[in-house]
Amino acid sequence: GENVEQHPSTLSVQEGDSAVIKCTYSDSASNYFPWYKQELGKGPQLIIDIRSNVGEKKDQRIAVTLNKTAKHFSLHITETQPEDSAVYFCAATFEGDSWGKFQFGAGTQVVVTP
Amino acid sequence: EPEVTQTPSHQVTQMGQEVILRCVPISNHLYFYWYRQILGQKVEFLVSFYNNEISEKSEIFDDQFSVERPDGSNFTLKIRSTKLEDSAMYFCASRDFAGEQYFGPGTRLTVT
Repeated sequence: GENVEQHPSTLSVQEGDSAVIKCTYSDSASNYFPWYKQELGKGPQLIIDIRSNVGEKKDQRIAVTLNKTAKHFSLHITETQPEDSAVYFCAATFEGDSWGKFQFGAGTQVVVTP
Repeated sequence: EPEVTQTPSHQVTQMGQEVILRCVPISNHLYFYWYRQILGQKVEFLVSFYNNEISEKSEIFDDQFSVERPDGSNFTLKIRSTKLEDSAMYFCASRDFAGEQYFGPGTRLTVT
């Protein structure tokens, strides 16, 4: 069935280092891949997204890459700061589903230590 | 910056009781969603809503669940007879035509 796998489940990095989170998806027809950041007690916040006709997108310290052939996409955070500590979720839409119905990955707990 | 709001932030109810969770989507958005997140698990899709009707619902969204847009601003999720396993965070979301989906802060539902 439709599925999104996310790794790692936890990621501890030193402040200033880079963090990379990878997701794989099952449906080759998927065409929209958002990333959400969830801080404790809050709802998921959209931080970046990518569509299937683009291979990479960057917004300041955050970038997302998409490999449609391999069916995986990754979130890259450079020069990490303590405020980057949160749970990060990837998501994807699948062909046949209504637009906006996301399948989420299981989440990655990122801890940035000073 | 416009945002999705939800009330209450925390709802405690007894098993078998009805609850209504309320959401105010971003004003110019036309597509609305409910998701839930059981503690420690992934966010799960419940239902999507457009043009005053359900577009799609998941298998979680059984006959105990219903959604309504009673006026031009509110979007509600009703659980008719709550079960212990309904305890979760419930997130409302809305999106515009560009496709960016924005989530509310959530309502923590605790069924005792």
